[in-house]
Order: sequence, then C-alpha cells, then structure tokens
Amino acid sequence: DAKTTQPPSMDCAEGRAANLPCNHSTISGNEYVYWYRQIHSQGPQYIIHGLKNNETNEMASLIITEDRKSSTLILPHATLRDTAVYYCIVRVQAGNQFYFGTGTSLTVIP
Amino acid sequence: DGGITQSPKYLFRKEGQNVTLSCEQNLNHDAMYWYRQDPGQGLRLIYYSQIVNDFQKGDIAEGYSVSREKKESFPLTVTSAQKNPTAFYLCASSTGTGTFSEKLFFGSGTQLSVL
Repeated sequence: DAKTTQPPSMDCAEGRAANLPCNHSTISGNEYVYWYRQIHSQGPQYIIHGLKNNETNEMASLIITEDRKSSTLILPHATLRDTAVYYCIVRVQAGNQFYFGTGTSLTVIP
Repeated sequence: DGGITQSPKYLFRKEGQNVTLSCEQNLNHDAMYWYRQDPGQGLRLIYYSQIVNDFQKGDIAEGYSVSREKKESFPLTVTSAQKNPTAFYLCASSTGTGTFSEKLFFGSGTQLSVL
C-alpha cells in the first residue's frame, strides 16, 4: 500500500504561490514527511522535511496538519524553473527507509 | 566536491547478460540505497544498506543483487533473472543516523536499456 497519495498534476501561474497537497493518513508518530523534486532524468533534490511542526526554509514552507494525516508544500512565488515532479515521502524508522509517492507534476505557466 | 557518482550514465544489456551499475559516494555516509524509476512513475526501493557488509531487500529486489564491501561503494547487479530491466536507476545515500537531520542525497542516475 502506498504511504503517500498526491494529485498527478497541477498548474500554477508564474509569481503565484504553488500549494501541493499530500495525503499520508497511515503515518506513524515517529515517521517524517519529506518533499523532493525531480527535473527530467536527474536525481531528486531535497526541498524540506518535518515531523509535527510547520517548517520553512529558503525554498519552501511545509504545513503539516495537527493529526499529521496530510501536508502541503508551499512554493511562495513560483518561477518557470520550479516546473518539475514533486514527491512527498515518508521516512520510516525501521531500516531508515524512504517511501516515495507517485509524485505531482507541477507546471508553472508564464 | 562531495557527492554521489553513478556510472555509466547509459547502459545497454543483452538477453541473458548480467550488468553492474556503479555507485560511489565521498560524503562519509553510512547508509546507501538503490531505487528504480519507470517512466511516469515514482521511485521504488530495490536494496538498501545501513552499514558496511550488511544490506536488506527493498520492495522489488527480485532479479537484482548488491554488495557493500566498502563504505564508499554500493554496486548494483542486474541479473538475467530480471525480465524487465529497462528503467532509470538512482543511487542515494544518507548519514544513517535516523535523526531529524537525515536527508537523502542522490546521484544523477543510470538509464538501463535492453538490446
């Protein structure tokens, strides 16, 4: 069973905020939520991660619901270079494994 | 520069042939991972290793083998038993501490195709 569920695709206007949702309803209390993005045929790049609290860095913000069953990645001012596939990932403690979802293909439109 | 190096970038396999994908890291990471990515799909875990001389099967280990004789190296062999090997293969590493700061660092990938 997939640990995360994401919409397959989304569009966002350049300069606007991109809000990418992720459902992880079976997440356990000690499992982390990560977001990575992948540009075609390259290795995924780290964006942000969190456990319970909302997190912000220079790239994005991560909002995790209080029950931790879902989260939203926010790119505050999307640019054309943000066009990529965005993966929501759960890291489980057992074996330190990272489970990828199927990703959301974000297209930023001029 | 520190990072993960995968080679070759493109690899072709003939029927019945075993091929080995190289993955080397100089990040001093304990944990290393191999993922397979099919077109339009997410990443699926093949094998992972938390420490030298130890590794575990992931979700799709059948038809693959690995070794971890050195901390820096985690080669993946695609055997003839893997009937559908055409895919993009990604190697990754992490500190392996399991703490909040844990992150995956990826190589640039190897595209394997069957002749």
